[in-house]
Amino acid sequence: DIVMTQTPLSSPVTLGQPASISCRSSQSLVHSDGNTYLSWLQQRPGQPPRLLIYKISNRFSGVPDRFSGSGAGTDFTLKISRVEAEDVGVYYCMQATQFLSFGLGTKVEIK
Amino acid sequence: EVQLVESGGGLVQPGGSLRLSCAASGFTFSSYNMHWVRQAPGKGLQWVSYISSSSRTIYYSDSVKGRFTISRDNAKNSLYLQMNSLRAEDTAVYYCADGGYWGQGTLVTVSS
Repeated sequence: DIVMTQTPLSSPVTLGQPASISCRSSQSLVHSDGNTYLSWLQQRPGQPPRLLIYKISNRFSGVPDRFSGSGAGTDFTLKISRVEAEDVGVYYCMQATQFLSFGLGTKVEIK
Repeated sequence: EVQLVESGGGLVQPGGSLRLSCAASGFTFSSYNMHWVRQAPGKGLQWVSYISSSSRTIYYSDSVKGRFTISRDNAKNSLYLQMNSLRAEDTAVYYCADGGYWGQGTLVTVSS
């Protein structure tokens, strides 16, 4: 099974400042089809998860451009360029190269 | 608009059974592989089961193997999860998802 390790587990951020979340997989996420199925999900309080980023760096429909993803192989990063109040929630990295597995989540909160 | 709507959750005693359903609309359901994912209260996300678009390929997490059965009816645009021999640790919100789109979830509580 692929284990996803996220850091930090908590990220207090000042409004308007950037935030960054890292995710490392226990093995390469490059699929046999050549794609890397690494996604980022946002879960606001009381809401279901929502897809933000898929295949490392592609923003899903309707996702603001302040969200960006990068990385390759086993190391990936989600960046929020300027945190807004509506960004409060828990962020999960998710791999879909082999079934699905998730990081433990990073709680983004406003200082 | 893509919609995934789960139903069938509720309170059940340990050892009991429940059948969850997920009604899909707004996309070509028969072309998409689907998953069930659960989230225990206050916890993170846990993958439960996968079914390919044609139902030919099915996988389960070790924690539910032998107790849960995933299925789908492409004619009805529906995904199912039959849950038997339920345990307290199965208590969670259950989501259907294709990896991109997620439903609102249905709460399953296993308690005497």
